Amino acid sequence: AQTVTQSQPEMSVQEAETVTLSCTYDTSESDYYLFWYKQPPSRQMILVIRQEAYKQQNATENRFSVNFQKAAKSFSLKISDSQLGDAAMYFCAYKETSGSRLTFGEGTQLTVNP
Amino acid sequence: DVKVTQSSRYLVKRTGEKVFLECVQDMDHENMFWYRQDPGLGLRLIYFSYDVKMKEKGDIPEGYSVSREKKERFSLILESASTNQTSMYLCASSLNSAQGNTGELFFGEGSRLTVL
Repeated sequence: AQTVTQSQPEMSVQEAETVTLSCTYDTSESDYYLFWYKQPPSRQMILVIRQEAYKQQNATENRFSVNFQKAAKSFSLKISDSQLGDAAMYFCAYKETSGSRLTFGEGTQLTVNP
Repeated sequence: DVKVTQSSRYLVKRTGEKVFLECVQDMDHENMFWYRQDPGLGLRLIYFSYDVKMKEKGDIPEGYSVSREKKERFSLILESASTNQTSMYLCASSLNSAQGNTGELFFGEGSRLTVL
């Protein structure tokens, strides 16, 4: 079974600084999707960024980018120019290309200090 | 925009009560999911459904059942609530990946259930 591990239960960053959240996963598949989701306090979980495993280029969405290392099975999220609104729980998730279910990591609670 | 609506944000129930958590999505998604979120454990899949009247067990189905009589609605049922089912319950939906979609999930706001 696939597993997703987020080894940092909590992280903090100063406003305007850069922070990197770590995620590793285990799979025997060669084709899959990886996602980062954001869950603000008392609010809905939303998708931040996605990466398709067959694409070597790292995905980028404005201030959010990933470092996808397929051989190492690592998928980290970098948040640049951190803003107070980035404070949230962040979840890494994995999905097989042909499947429907997502497997989630334990989550990383990000605090942004003014 | 996709909208996934969960009927109750907060519920307090007593041990042994039957609990219904309702979820409705408005984007004609084939797949619907129920996850449970607990601190330090992330999201764990309880059940999912890929079509009307179809369901599959997730990783932690014990103590739960589901119902999907209409495409837009997916219900989670706790037949006899227990204190260890106190948790945040998240409903989500997605398009069928076989159609070339990424299958990303769209979530509801969550239902926080407390069982006393």
